[in-house]
Amino acid sequence: DGGITQSPKYLFRKEGQNVTLSCEQNLNHDAMYWYRQDPGQGLRLIYYSQIVNDFQKGDIAEGYSVSREKKESFPLTVTSAQKNPTAFYLCASSSRSLAYGYTFGSGTRLTVV
Amino acid sequence: GQQVMQIPQYQHVQEGEDFTTYCNSSTTLSNIQWYKQRPGGHPVFLIQLVKSGEVKKQKRLTFQFGEAKKNSSLHITATQTTDVGTYFCAGYDYKLSFGAGTTVTVRA
Repeated sequence: DGGITQSPKYLFRKEGQNVTLSCEQNLNHDAMYWYRQDPGQGLRLIYYSQIVNDFQKGDIAEGYSVSREKKESFPLTVTSAQKNPTAFYLCASSSRSLAYGYTFGSGTRLTVV
Repeated sequence: GQQVMQIPQYQHVQEGEDFTTYCNSSTTLSNIQWYKQRPGGHPVFLIQLVKSGEVKKQKRLTFQFGEAKKNSSLHITATQTTDVGTYFCAGYDYKLSFGAGTTVTVRA
């Protein structure tokens, strides 16, 4: 089955630590995205990549970093510079046509302890 | 930048009733998409609207794109408990910008 996999499902981080969230897709999609979701708010775009070895900042990129070394993978690192990292993180991918919208992973819930 | 606003934020519906949620953009959109997120789940793509004035139906759900391509609506008829969740609209202007969503609860 084709899909997009995020891991881990739950992640706890101590203040001052960097953590990396995994996102892998086998849909052969060119574009991949990272969104952050906070209670009562919509999805806010962190970073996106439309092609391997290239990515752009979204609306709330500060304190985050990404890489896109392979088409299938788009990991997100939440750095210690992110002031309020506790949130639900969603990875998504899409084909160029967008006819079928974005396919989302099941998300990673990050909690700072 | 592009902003997408949805109203209402919460919708409490009696089972069997109809309701509508609205989406408005500050800019003209090339297309608009709708997603549904069940409690504890992730957003799932429902539909994409591209043409001005376009209307699409999926069973009890009717989606409409405004003539000026700056607003959209989702109308659900005969609400069922399976309709519970948050419905997001997202406007596309080289990337998707999501509204805050309408969270729907259903009274049986």
